[in-house]
Order: sequence, then structure tokens, then C-alpha cells
Amino acid sequence: DTGVSQNPRHKITKRGQNVTFRCDPISEHNRLYWYRQTLGQGPEFLTYFQNEAQLEKSRLLSDRFSAERPKGSFSTLEIQRTEQGDSAMYLCASSSGTGYEQYFGPGTRLTVT
Amino acid sequence: GESVGLHLPTLSVQEGDNSIINCAYSNSASDYFIWYKQESGKGPQFIIDIRSNMDKRQGQRVTVLLNKTVKHLSLQIAATQPGDSAVYFCAENRRSGGSNYKLTFGKGTLLTVNP
Repeated sequence: DTGVSQNPRHKITKRGQNVTFRCDPISEHNRLYWYRQTLGQGPEFLTYFQNEAQLEKSRLLSDRFSAERPKGSFSTLEIQRTEQGDSAMYLCASSSGTGYEQYFGPGTRLTVT
Repeated sequence: GESVGLHLPTLSVQEGDNSIINCAYSNSASDYFIWYKQESGKGPQFIIDIRSNMDKRQGQRVTVLLNKTVKHLSLQIAATQPGDSAVYFCAENRRSGGSNYKLTFGKGTLLTVNP
């Protein structure tokens, strides 16, 4: 499979715990994006990497959220001290340096109880 | 009509009919638009895109129309099939802070195809 992959697909955690999600982009894509989607809404931009550099962060990305892409390949999104309001689908997308099209992974559904 | 439960605009069509899904955007600086299809429990799937220097683009069974004067985008699906049932989102590329690649998504339209 040469598409974007995300792990885990589902995560249930208790409030206050830390969680980490992983995204593996399409191999030749140098741009990687994280979005958050709540029920009935479109995805909302969180952050964006070009290679290993994090170039933009949304105001939605509070200080409890951190994202990394250390070698310019896979990326991780960590949420510390989770809150019930963090429950959502976390989507990763990637694009090439020559195109605007962003290709999405299947997402990680987070439920905070 | 409106779907009160999901708060999503909905469109219900018969199999074989043509479907038209509409989207309004707000930023006149946007220069790139994409339509995505999202099935339940899955990530958005790229359908078709269009740049602002075009007003029409066709793909396989789909056509996107762009009217920059009224900031309106539409997706036409020909001979709609049950497998087309999904939520459809339009997204725009909004230049900000020097980054040209952030997508801003619209609310979405739920398309239901009746066999």
C-alpha cells in the first residue's frame, strides 16, 4: 500500500493521560499536514511540515499538543494531559513539492473518557 | 434540504441521476480549490481540483465549476451510483503567513443515492 498510513486507528484514553499518534506519508512526499475533524464538521488545519521543518501551526494547537517530523519522513502528534474536548478524528495528509493535492490517511479516532 | 441531526446540508438522489453539490467560499485570495469525498470512518479522498485561473474542469464522471465573481464552487456527478453516497467537502487553499499549502474546508454535504 503506497498511501498515507496512520496508527493507531482508534485510541481510547482517560482524561489526563498522554497519547501519541503516528503518520507515515506517501514516500516521495516532502510535505505533511495534521488536521482535526469533529463529528459533522470538515477537517481543521493543525500544523504543517516541509521535510523536517514545522512551518505553520494553528491557534487550535495548544501547548498541550506537539508534533514532530525528525527525519523528514514519518511524523508524530502528541497530546499531553488529554481533555474530553480533544476527542476527535486526527487526520494526516501529505503532498509532493510540485503539487497542491493533499492525500489523506484513514485517521486516528481519539476518545477521551 | 437540511439534516437537523447532523447539521449537514443533504442531497438525496436516485441512482442514475446527476448530482450537483454546491459550496461557497469566502476568501477572494484563494487560488486553488479541491473537492473531497469522505465515507463513514475513512479519511477524505481526493476527487478533483481546480485553480482560480480556470472556471471548469472535468474528470471521470465529475465536473467542477468555479465562479469567482460570486465565490461559488460546484461539483457535478454524472450518473450517480450508490457508491457515491458519502459526505462531500470543498476545500480552498488560503495563502497565509507565507505558506501556500494550508487547506480550509467547508461544512460538507451528505449525498445519499437511492437504488
